[in-house]
Amino acid sequence: AQSVTQPDIHITVSEGASLELRCNYSYGATPYLFWYVQSPGQGLQLLLKYFSGDTLVQGIKGFEAEFKRSQSSFNLRKPSVHWSDAAEYFCAVGHSGTYKYIFGTGTRLKVLA
Amino acid sequence: DVKVTQSSRYLVKRTGEKVFLECVQDMDHENMFWYRQDPGLGLRLIYFSYDVKMKEKGDIPEGYSVSREKKERFSLILESTSTNQTSMYLCASSLWIAGGYNEQFFGPGTRLTVL
Repeated sequence: AQSVTQPDIHITVSEGASLELRCNYSYGATPYLFWYVQSPGQGLQLLLKYFSGDTLVQGIKGFEAEFKRSQSSFNLRKPSVHWSDAAEYFCAVGHSGTYKYIFGTGTRLKVLA
Repeated sequence: DVKVTQSSRYLVKRTGEKVFLECVQDMDHENMFWYRQDPGLGLRLIYFSYDVKMKEKGDIPEGYSVSREKKERFSLILESTSTNQTSMYLCASSLWIAGGYNEQFFGPGTRLTVL
């Protein structure tokens, strides 16, 4: 069965430090992959997506993600975190044969001043 | 910009009451979705609709129904609420593209508390 795993429930980083959020997926074909961010009390906003082509994808707010087929991973990175990046981050994969997504359980990011 | 609006941000209901959650999108998207979000469980799909009057069950449809009479509007109905339906409810929409997936645009969510 297809699945998405975000192994880190909580991550704390200092402002200005680099960030990597992990996402692993289980999928039989080429996946459609997404990262979303949810600020407190808000809906989800798309950060970036991977459908095909270049495996390093640039997104909004200075985020990027790299698709690694050999590791079944799509990790999200940012070189220098800002306090406003504190939020919950969700990885999602397109579900074969339907329009459904499978979402990971999320990683909550805390940023220390 | 795509805008997805939800009828309420916060609702408090008593057990057994009927609840309508309404979602409206303004970009002529074919697909619309209802999720519930609970801590540690991520987002779970309740129902989705790919056209007017068309719907498919998601992963957790029990206790819910939906209605899509117009393309821009997708309603989630809780016929008789129970305390285990206390949750954040998120609506989303996406444009249909052949053979693939497109990003989903989310509303701000409705936090429902059932007492």
